[in-house]
Amino acid sequence: GNSVTQMEGPVTLSEEAFLTINCTYTATGYPSLFWYVQYPGEGLQLLLKATKADDKGSNKGFEATYRKETTSFHLEKGSVQVSDSAVYFCALNSGVTGANNLFFGTGTRLTVIP
Amino acid sequence: KAGVTQTPRYLIKTRGQQVTLSCSPISGHRSVSWYQQTPGQGLQFLFEYFSETQRNKGNFPGRFSGRQFSNSRSEMNVSTLELGDSALYLCASSLSSGGADTQYFGPGTRLTVL
Repeated sequence: GNSVTQMEGPVTLSEEAFLTINCTYTATGYPSLFWYVQYPGEGLQLLLKATKADDKGSNKGFEATYRKETTSFHLEKGSVQVSDSAVYFCALNSGVTGANNLFFGTGTRLTVIP
Repeated sequence: KAGVTQTPRYLIKTRGQQVTLSCSPISGHRSVSWYQQTPGQGLQFLFEYFSETQRNKGNFPGRFSGRQFSNSRSEMNVSTLELGDSALYLCASSLSSGGADTQYFGPGTRLTVL
């Protein structure tokens, strides 16, 4: 089946620190992988995505590389800011037409302190 | 282009009542998916509609139902509300029902069942 295992939080970092949030997945077929971010009181915003092995998604300084050999899609940022404080969700879509649903990890709460 | 909109943003109901939530997708998007978010269960897929047909369904009881109209707007209905139905209900739209398409989320409807 399809599932996502995400690093447990919460994570607290000082401003300008390096961020890694681990994400591994189990999937049949050729999934697409996503990172979404949720700010307090809001819905989910797409942060980045990758649709095939070795693709690197990037946005706003965040990066993640689709690693098929290790079934991973770890999120990284070189220098976090206070405004990055949010909950981050790793997700996969199986890639099967007609089965267009996302499987989410449990979410990782990030707090960045000045 | 306007994003996904959901109405109402907040709802308070009592056990046994029913509720209808509405979602307007991004213009041109034909697929609408619904998710339930709770602290205990995280983000779970409810169902997906494409061209007015339910394409995919998650593991929820029959009290949860939905529909899609010809303009792609969607509604979901929950009958005989239970306390455990208290959650944030998120709607997401995508261009098609293909697995690689990005799903864009609305702000959610926060349902509280008393």
